[in-house]
Amino acid sequence: DVKVTQSSRYLVKRTGEKVFLECVQDMDHENMFWYRQDPGLGLRLIYFSYDVKMKEKGDIPEGYSVSREKKERFSLILESASTNQTSMYLCASRPQGITEAFFGQGTRLTVV
Amino acid sequence: KQEVTQIPAALSVPEGENLVLNCSFTDSAIYNLQWFRQDPGKGLTSLLLIQSSQREQTSGRLNASLDKSSGRSTLYIAASQPGDSATYLCAVRPGSARQLTFGSGTQLTVLP
Repeated sequence: DVKVTQSSRYLVKRTGEKVFLECVQDMDHENMFWYRQDPGLGLRLIYFSYDVKMKEKGDIPEGYSVSREKKERFSLILESASTNQTSMYLCASRPQGITEAFFGQGTRLTVV
Repeated sequence: KQEVTQIPAALSVPEGENLVLNCSFTDSAIYNLQWFRQDPGKGLTSLLLIQSSQREQTSGRLNASLDKSSGRSTLYIAASQPGDSATYLCAVRPGSARQLTFGSGTQLTVLP
């Protein structure tokens, strides 16, 4: 079974803190994605990566950055957390080709 | 830009009923369409993937259909059970993109 693991289920951080959300997949997938999910807005793409050290902006990249130093790990970084970044964050991975995407269990981040 | 709509936003049915969830998309140039299930506070679980060349896919009590030309997909759930209660999300992968575009979901409640 494909496994996508997010490092935390719940996080509470203070405004202005630097926050790291980690995602690891164990199936050698080339593509990895970070989405956030908010009531009434659905899932929105923040960033994605199609290879090590490669990244592309999604629909809402402002306030975020990403890092992909190894194929299995994709990190989302909030440089200076703000209350409007309180959300559910979902990581996904997918191999190359016309294939299925797999999601992690989500990280509920609260910024106070 | 691809837009995905799911109607209804919420649905409540008695146990044992067969039901259909609807998904529509604006641009028929897609690679594939994927149906997911999301339980409250959790990540997404992939249910079915339909490639653009396919008309339907089946898994157990679930059957998903795809009509690319009309921009529609349906998820049919046979003999619904209380354990089917969840939010069901439809997502398409546009032909020019690596990432998925999601609908806002249908929240299903199956009453015992």
